[in-house]
Amino acid sequence: EAEVAQSPRYKITEKSQAVAFWCDPISGHATLYWYRQILGQGPELLVQFQDESVVDDSQLPKDRFSAERLKGVDSTLKIQPAELGDSAMYLCASSPSGGLYGYTFGSGTRLTVV
Amino acid sequence: GQQLNQSPQSMFIQEGEDVSMNCTSSSIFNTWLWYKQDPGEGPVLLIALYKAGELTSNGRLTAQFGITRKDSFLNISASIPSDVGIYFCAGSDSGNTGKLIFGQGTTLQVKP
Repeated sequence: EAEVAQSPRYKITEKSQAVAFWCDPISGHATLYWYRQILGQGPELLVQFQDESVVDDSQLPKDRFSAERLKGVDSTLKIQPAELGDSAMYLCASSPSGGLYGYTFGSGTRLTVV
Repeated sequence: GQQLNQSPQSMFIQEGEDVSMNCTSSSIFNTWLWYKQDPGEGPVLLIALYKAGELTSNGRLTAQFGITRKDSFLNISASIPSDVGIYFCAGSDSGNTGKLIFGQGTTLQVKP
């Protein structure tokens, strides 16, 4: 069964350092999403891509977060500088065409900022 | 912004018991979904509901899309130990944009 691949699975970083997460969506999926899930809460959308274009980044803290999907396939989410409050699970999801059919989440990257 | 209120926050039940959890919203959703998340993993879709009033089953799971489009519930019958996990409701706000709004989750523990 096709999966959304994310790496690393776990990341510990010091406050003020830069950190990056990588996501490889299911092959052929045009839409890619990054969600942040704080412990004890549901995921919240940070950014949505359609191919290489950003569709929605209204909840992305743009002073420190950036996301790119240069060739419309895999994607990188970066935080610089990391803050203690950024500790969370970062989930990537993809879907074939922006709808809900085939919408699949990856296993996430657990970030701890110390 | 849109928020989903999910209850109860947690449940501790005996194996074999039935479980019910629900989700309410301050605004209308076109689609309701129920996910299960195991520790350290991403959410996995259990049931999707696309029409107001729709009642859908998946094995021991049954979910309904409320008539007002502002609520949904999930029932699990005859719970088993592997039902342990966190259950999330999620709504899709409009136009099939793919943006999901999640509830806060219900943590289910099952005692054998």
